[in-house]
Amino acid sequence: KAGVTQTPRYLIKTRGQQVTLSCSPISGHRSVSWYQQTPGQGLQFLFEYFSETQRNKGNFPGRFSGRQFSNSRSEMNVSTLELGDSALYLCASRPDGGPPYNEQFFGPGTRLTVL
Amino acid sequence: AQSVTQLGSHVSVSEGALVLLRCNYSSSVPPYLFWYVQYPNQGLQLLLKYTSAATLVKGINGFEAEFKKSETSFHLTKPSAHMSDAAEYFCAVSTGGFKTIFGAGTRLFVKA
Repeated sequence: KAGVTQTPRYLIKTRGQQVTLSCSPISGHRSVSWYQQTPGQGLQFLFEYFSETQRNKGNFPGRFSGRQFSNSRSEMNVSTLELGDSALYLCASRPDGGPPYNEQFFGPGTRLTVL
Repeated sequence: AQSVTQLGSHVSVSEGALVLLRCNYSSSVPPYLFWYVQYPNQGLQLLLKYTSAATLVKGINGFEAEFKKSETSFHLTKPSAHMSDAAEYFCAVSTGGFKTIFGAGTRLFVKA
């Protein structure tokens, strides 16, 4: 099976712009989670989608949003970019809706740089 | 609320020496615990997980971890470090919900 894929791998934007990142989970996985990874804050949970519904949300401002399509592919959007949004954004998929001890399979990430 | 604390942001060992990466968790309910590894420019990969079946868990690449409820710990060990073990390691906890909380990570350096 192909792993989790994320596109693009690298992205450079300027402050005030918006950006959309894409994630394709492993075939058959219906749960997709997004994380922000920065040197200062580590791995921060953004949100999780399962069967096109947001099931969990982290403590990020409303500028961060996401969605999931019927084929389980997911996108996250960040509007009005700030310098502090520069980070590695990781997507992870899980085999099904539960149980919570199911491991997550991570993609390679999208490196976003905001200038 | 659940939380994870990894002691030591950086750990340095010599090749062939014991690797010990420390993780303590806080959870009001029985937790599920994980160790992930991240190599440069890659995503995270599962090393091992604790799901209450056995307190000593063996993972990939010779790593293992022991769940100690009385100490709320889940330390990761490997008897003999290899240069290829140099990476960042994350401890994580999940409970009844579907949110996984990650520790801040420990970067392991292996000296020749």
